[in-house]
Amino acid sequence: DIVVTQSPLSLPVTPGEPASISCRSGQSLLQSNGYNHLGWYLQKPGQSPQLLIYFGSNRASGVPDRFSGSGSGTDFTLKISRVEAEDVGVYYCMQALQNPITFGQGTRLEIK
Amino acid sequence: EVQLVESGGGLVQPGGSLRLSCAASGFTFSSHWMGWVRQAPGMRLEWVANIVQDGSEKFYVDSMRGRFTISRDNARNLLYLQMNSLRAEDTAVYYCARAHNAVFDIWGRGTMVTVFS
Repeated sequence: DIVVTQSPLSLPVTPGEPASISCRSGQSLLQSNGYNHLGWYLQKPGQSPQLLIYFGSNRASGVPDRFSGSGSGTDFTLKISRVEAEDVGVYYCMQALQNPITFGQGTRLEIK
Repeated sequence: EVQLVESGGGLVQPGGSLRLSCAASGFTFSSHWMGWVRQAPGMRLEWVANIVQDGSEKFYVDSMRGRFTISRDNARNLLYLQMNSLRAEDTAVYYCARAHNAVFDIWGRGTMVTVFS
């Protein structure tokens, strides 16, 4: 199984400040088609997960441009340029290169 | 509006069975892979199973293969998860999700399954 590891697990942030979450994979997620099979999700309190980023760096429809994804191979980063109160929740990365699809442990973002 | 609505969750004793359903609307259901993802209380997301567009191929996490069966009815825009031999550790919220671009881009609100003795 491909293990994906997130850090940090807890992320207190002051509104207006940037935030960054790391996701590392046990093996490269770069497919032969040139796409990284890595997605990012936000699960707000009491809600189902919502897609933020696909193929490592493509913002999903309707996602604010303060969210950006980067990286390739085994190292990926989700960045929020200026955190807002509505960004509170648990962020997950997910690899779908091979089955079983696996998720990171989650990073809980809270407002200071 | 693109929407997925799960149903069928509830309380069941160990060894029992449940069938979850997911009603899809607002998109061409038969054109998409679909999947189930679960989340035990306070835990991370866990992929359960995927099914291809015409239902001819199915993929499962090892721990659920043989106990859980994913299926679909494209004529009725429905996705199913038949769960047998349920265990306490299967207690979770079960989400139905649409697969697209190697991610799950649309999620339902989930249905809670509680296995208790």
